[in-house]
Amino acid sequence: GNSVTQMEGPVTLSEEAFLTINCTYTATGYPSLFWYVQYPGEGLQLLLKATKADDKGSNKGFEATYRKETTSFHLEKGSVQVSDSAVYFCAPRDDYKLSFGAGTTVTVRA
Amino acid sequence: DAMVIQNPRYQVTQFGKPVTLSCSQTLNHNVMYWYQQKSSQAPKLLFHYYDKDFNNEADTPDNFQSRRPNTSFCFLDIRSPGLGDAAMYLCATSRAGGREKLFFGSGTQLSVL
Repeated sequence: GNSVTQMEGPVTLSEEAFLTINCTYTATGYPSLFWYVQYPGEGLQLLLKATKADDKGSNKGFEATYRKETTSFHLEKGSVQVSDSAVYFCAPRDDYKLSFGAGTTVTVRA
Repeated sequence: DAMVIQNPRYQVTQFGKPVTLSCSQTLNHNVMYWYQQKSSQAPKLLFHYYDKDFNNEADTPDNFQSRRPNTSFCFLDIRSPGLGDAAMYLCATSRAGGREKLFFGSGTQLSVL
């Protein structure tokens, strides 16, 4: 099965700062890769995804590139906002199973 | 409009008293999942249904069961809840296929007294 190593938090940033959350995975096959976000008091939402090597997923100013050679899918955003405060989960998916990393709590201060 | 609906949002049960959590979907997806998420931890897959086929994860305790009477509904039954079963339970759905995203409900927060 898949496993995920995700950068530990919590991460605290000021508005307009650059955010990066590292994620590496191990997989027996060729997984699709996802980032999910969980805002306070809400369920998990898909942030972005990439399904093959060198694909770049992007949404809401966030980006992540599928790096097969380094088995990584790091999440980046150039200028964070207070509304980006949330828990971020890296998640590879094989045939049926979505496996989550431990989650990184991000707090953005005004 | 909510597409994966979990009820109730909060559930309190007593130690050892059976409890059922429910999930419904309006997406007509083949696959439905139940995840357990303890505080500050990653969601952990308990089991999933592919249509009517039930697939249990190897490390899911026998205390946890599930039913899917039709495409739209899926239930999580905890036969004898222990204090360690207090958690957020997340239901999710997806189309078949490894590239499909999962749609999550808002979850049911279970407390065991």
